Amino acid sequence: SAVISQKPSRDICQRGTSLTIQCQVDSQVTMMFWYRQQPGQSLTLIATANQGSEATYESGFVIDKFPISRPNLTFSTLTVSNMSPEDSSIYLCSVLTGGIYGYTFGSGTRLTVV
Amino acid sequence: GESVGLHLPTLSVQEGDNSIINCAYSNSASDYFIWYKQESGKGPQFIIDIRSNMDKRQGQRVTVLLNKTVKHLSLQIAATQPGDSAVYFCAENTAYSGGGADGLTFGKGTHLIIQP
Repeated sequence: SAVISQKPSRDICQRGTSLTIQCQVDSQVTMMFWYRQQPGQSLTLIATANQGSEATYESGFVIDKFPISRPNLTFSTLTVSNMSPEDSSIYLCSVLTGGIYGYTFGSGTRLTVV
Repeated sequence: GESVGLHLPTLSVQEGDNSIINCAYSNSASDYFIWYKQESGKGPQFIIDIRSNMDKRQGQRVTVLLNKTVKHLSLQIAATQPGDSAVYFCAENTAYSGGGADGLTFGKGTHLIIQP
């Protein structure tokens, strides 16, 4: 399966600021996804990031709040903009690869907004 | 690291016993299902998957059962070990009928605790 590196692994941010999370994959992948996991909760899909096109956002998530870049087949960024304490969550990057593992996840970025 | 299971249903079993974790899904169009294990401070880790044209699939110490009639999925873990303690999530999508690769819809999750 693909190996995914996310940076930063955790951060504490002031409300009103923005944080950009990076997702680096060790192989070229077509499909990349961003998820949010609120404290003690399950994962919720934020958006699908395809190289060369605009990201596709799920209901309840908008580009102004969560802008995404996908400059190539191994890298993507998610920005959490104008943060509030309600944005405190784990943000996870995922990729779809071939083979038996299908969808692989990074370790996540643990964001705390104060 | 922070626990990911603080607000999730909990299943407590004795070491060596079998565990059964259940999941209900709502989308009758879903045709691909995956079970993930998430340990504290880590991302979800693939355990086993099943397509909707099957009702049972076995792996090493794990079995997934799919009942499409009642939209229910279960994960059976045989002879549980301390290392099985984690949060378990089911996930679904329409990978084979959706015309393209979708992201996953996750279930609520279950926190499995192994008692010594």
